[in-house]
Amino acid sequence: LAKTTQPISMDSYEGQEVNITCSHNNIATNDYITWYQQFPSQGPRFIIQGYKTKVTNEVASLFIPADRKSSTLSLPRVSLSDTAVYYCLVGDMGTSYDKVIFGPGTSLSVIP
Amino acid sequence: EPEVTQTPSHQVTQMGQEVILRCVPISNHLYFYWYRQILGQKVEFLVSFYNNEISEKSEIFDDQFSVERPDGSNFTLKIRSTKLEDSAMYFCASSAGRGALQPQHFGDGTRLSIL
Repeated sequence: LAKTTQPISMDSYEGQEVNITCSHNNIATNDYITWYQQFPSQGPRFIIQGYKTKVTNEVASLFIPADRKSSTLSLPRVSLSDTAVYYCLVGDMGTSYDKVIFGPGTSLSVIP
Repeated sequence: EPEVTQTPSHQVTQMGQEVILRCVPISNHLYFYWYRQILGQKVEFLVSFYNNEISEKSEIFDDQFSVERPDGSNFTLKIRSTKLEDSAMYFCASSAGRGALQPQHFGDGTRLSIL
């Protein structure tokens, strides 16, 4: 699995857009980029996944540049309930991908 | 939306005792996992299970740990003789398949406290 680097923590005020960037310089051709969210005292939750360009769902958008060496999770107009740890993961779609390897993630604190 | 459920939400056990943590994965999923998270640390993989056998395990998953799918719905993690350092949140997860395109769905965990 490709190694990822993301900020340890971020603060944001309510109503702002938050962008969390993840670096994955050694991403492989078959690798997908997946983001999980973990609220305090809860299990991680899958929020979005992409391979290239842009993916959007009801929770977030994921921007992936052409070289795929980084990706940016964008949370529009955050609220206090978006306070969580956000994990960036890179892995391939092959059958060898079994476990999820979590890094420390980015701890997002939303401030009123 | 279907979800993974775990019981109990909190388990307090004396050191040296056996503990069984229970999970009900999403019904049509085929792959099952246990992770743990020590307070303030990252989520760590313990074991994956498919077709009634362990498919992968980490160094943490030593002889004190075992997993079982005793029936068509439950998936359990047993710790034979608990140690103080086993205190952690234990998360069960399941997925429909393997690979990055089959995201894992996590339960909300069991908080295990060893006294």
